[in-house]
Amino acid sequence: EAQVTQNPRYLITVTGKKLTVTCSQNMNHEYMSWYRQDPGLGLRQIYYSMNVEVTDKGDVPEGYKVSRKEKRNFPLILESPSPNQTSLYFCASTLKGPPFSYEQYFGPGTRLTVT
Amino acid sequence: EDQVTQSPEALRLQEGESSSLNCSYTVSGLRGLFWYRQDPGKGPEFLFTLYSAGEEKEKERLKATLTKKESFLHITAPKPEDSATYLCAVQAVPNTGNQFYFGTGTSLTVIP
Repeated sequence: EAQVTQNPRYLITVTGKKLTVTCSQNMNHEYMSWYRQDPGLGLRQIYYSMNVEVTDKGDVPEGYKVSRKEKRNFPLILESPSPNQTSLYFCASTLKGPPFSYEQYFGPGTRLTVT
Repeated sequence: EDQVTQSPEALRLQEGESSSLNCSYTVSGLRGLFWYRQDPGKGPEFLFTLYSAGEEKEKERLKATLTKKESFLHITAPKPEDSATYLCAVQAVPNTGNQFYFGTGTSLTVIP
C-alpha cells in the first residue's frame, strides 16, 4: 500500500530536549515536505526537499532542521524545542507528473506538545 | 506576497442542500491550484488540481472550477459523509516545484 508514515504520532516533551520526527514514503517520490498546522493559521510549509541532499526553507523554518540522506526518508529535527513549536506536524510526499502535476500525499500527522 | 483566502470559515448544510466553497488567491503567477479534504485527526487527502482559468474537474458530488482570481468547490446534494475541512493550496511561479501555500480551510458539516 502506497503511504507516508510518521513516528511518533504523539509526543510530549520539555523545552530544550532535542527530538526527531521521522517520515518515510514508499512511493519513490523525489519531492517531500514538512508542514505544521495551527488553528487559524492553516498549513504552513517548514522545509521541503527536491531530492536526496537537496533541501530548502519554506515559510517557517526557524527552529527546525531537516536532512535527506535517502530518497524515502525525510526526518524533522528540533534541536532545542520551545513551547511555540507545539503544533500538529505533517510530512508530505509529492508525486511529480507531467506537465506540472504535484499531488501531495500526507502522513497521518504528529501531535507535538512542548512544555 | 502570495496569499490564499478561503471562505466561509465554516458551513452547515442540510443533506441535499447544494452550495459552494470559495478560494481566492493572490500570486505573481499561478502554476497550479489544489483542493484537499481533511478529516479530523488525519492528514489532508488530495482531491483536484487546476492549472488554468476556465478549467473544471469533477469527482462524485464535488466540482472544482478556476478563474483568474479564485476557485470554487461546488458540492451538489451533499451527504453527511462529505463533512470535513476542505483546504485550498496554490503553487506560484517562479517556483522550484515543491512550494505550496495553503488557505486556512472551510469546515463543512452536512446534517442528516
